[in-house]
Amino acid sequence: GENVEQHPSTLSVQEGDSAVIKCTYSDSASNYFPWYKQELGKRPQLIIDIRSNVGEKKDQRIAVTLNKTAKHFSLHITETQPEDSAVYFCAASPLGGGTSYGKLTFGQGTILTVHP
Amino acid sequence: NAGVMQNPRHLVRRRGQEARLRCSPMKGHSHVYWYRQLPEEGLKFMVYLQKENIIDESGMPKERFSAEFPKEGPSILRIQQVVRGDSAAYFCASSQDRVGFYEQYFGPGTRLTVT
Repeated sequence: GENVEQHPSTLSVQEGDSAVIKCTYSDSASNYFPWYKQELGKRPQLIIDIRSNVGEKKDQRIAVTLNKTAKHFSLHITETQPEDSAVYFCAASPLGGGTSYGKLTFGQGTILTVHP
Repeated sequence: NAGVMQNPRHLVRRRGQEARLRCSPMKGHSHVYWYRQLPEEGLKFMVYLQKENIIDESGMPKERFSAEFPKEGPSILRIQQVVRGDSAAYFCASSQDRVGFYEQYFGPGTRLTVT
């Protein structure tokens, strides 16, 4: 089955700096890669996703890049703010049919702390 | 535009009792997924259901756990004879049944404590 590795496990930055979180996956059938933000005691919130037919996607201060050959994808947050502090999870999923359709395999999470 | 609803939000059970967790997907969504999150850990897939069908239950323990998504009403995750190791946050997520729309949106979770 799919295995997703995420690092670093903790990341501390100063407000205004950039933050980068990286994930690798093992199953070449995976072609959908969402990122979730989870604040303490809250639900995971989808912040951005990317599909295998593109290499990069941006949404304001957040961007995600994908390298299918190397099987890794990354989350980039620019101009970080204290409210960006949370746990971030990457995930991978195969789409297009079969019994694994829709099943998200998550990374272990990254605790991001943005210091004012 | 109500999101994914889960109840109860907190559930306390003694060892050996049954726990029933409910999930109502977003309006227009017909796919439901259950995930478990142990303290300080990531989310682990348990089961994927569509109306009246279990599509993938590869992440669900073979014993004591069951799930359903009936034609009417919420999806139910049932844990029989709970043990302390079942203490966790259980999240459900839903997605649309439309090609090209794969986003899964999560509910607030049910925090199960087994005493």
